[in-house]
Amino acid sequence: KQEVTQIPAALSVPEGENLVLNCSFTDSAIYNLQWFRQDPGKGLTSLLLIQSSQREQTSGRLNASLDKSSGRSTLYIAASQPGDSATYLCAPQTSGSRLTFGEGTQLTVNP
Amino acid sequence: GAVVSQHPSWVICKSGTSVKIECRSLDFQATTMFWYRQFPKQSLMLMATSNEGSKATYEQGVEKDKFLINHASLTLSTLTVTSAHPEDSSFYICSAFMGREQNQPQHFGDGTRLSIL
Repeated sequence: KQEVTQIPAALSVPEGENLVLNCSFTDSAIYNLQWFRQDPGKGLTSLLLIQSSQREQTSGRLNASLDKSSGRSTLYIAASQPGDSATYLCAPQTSGSRLTFGEGTQLTVNP
Repeated sequence: GAVVSQHPSWVICKSGTSVKIECRSLDFQATTMFWYRQFPKQSLMLMATSNEGSKATYEQGVEKDKFLINHASLTLSTLTVTSAHPEDSSFYICSAFMGREQNQPQHFGDGTRLSIL
């Protein structure tokens, strides 16, 4: 059974800082890994998807890396802004298109 | 981009009521849809996998007679919470899988907040 751990659980930073969110998973037999953003009371917004054959993906100020063999992924956010405040979830996808979610990192970026 | 619409966004009802939640893929055909539940301060937990034209596959511990799932078309799946009780109050989110390849992303609806009084 896939288990996903995200560290830290919460993070509060001043605006402009670069930051790293960590995700680890126990079953390395994944097809891909997605990073999502969830605002309070809202659904999920997909940020990045990394295929199992890829090492990283970039979108704007976001960069996600994947080390499948060691069961780790990181999300790097450059030059953080108050609008980045949200909960960030990682979810590796295994057979049957199953996504397993971590409990997320709650990010607060202070102006 | 791919859009998944979920309706209603908020439901408040009395204990014992049955509540239906709809999940629609607006600009693509979804052979597979997923239903998740999220309790406050917790992550999403998969409840069931809904496949068009066949019975849903439920996760261990999820009562299939209580959470009825119907996926009658390639663009619509419904979740009916039967005889809802306060402990069923939660945030329910659906997602749709765009293709048949397992390396494609899932697209999520905006969720339905269910409050049972």
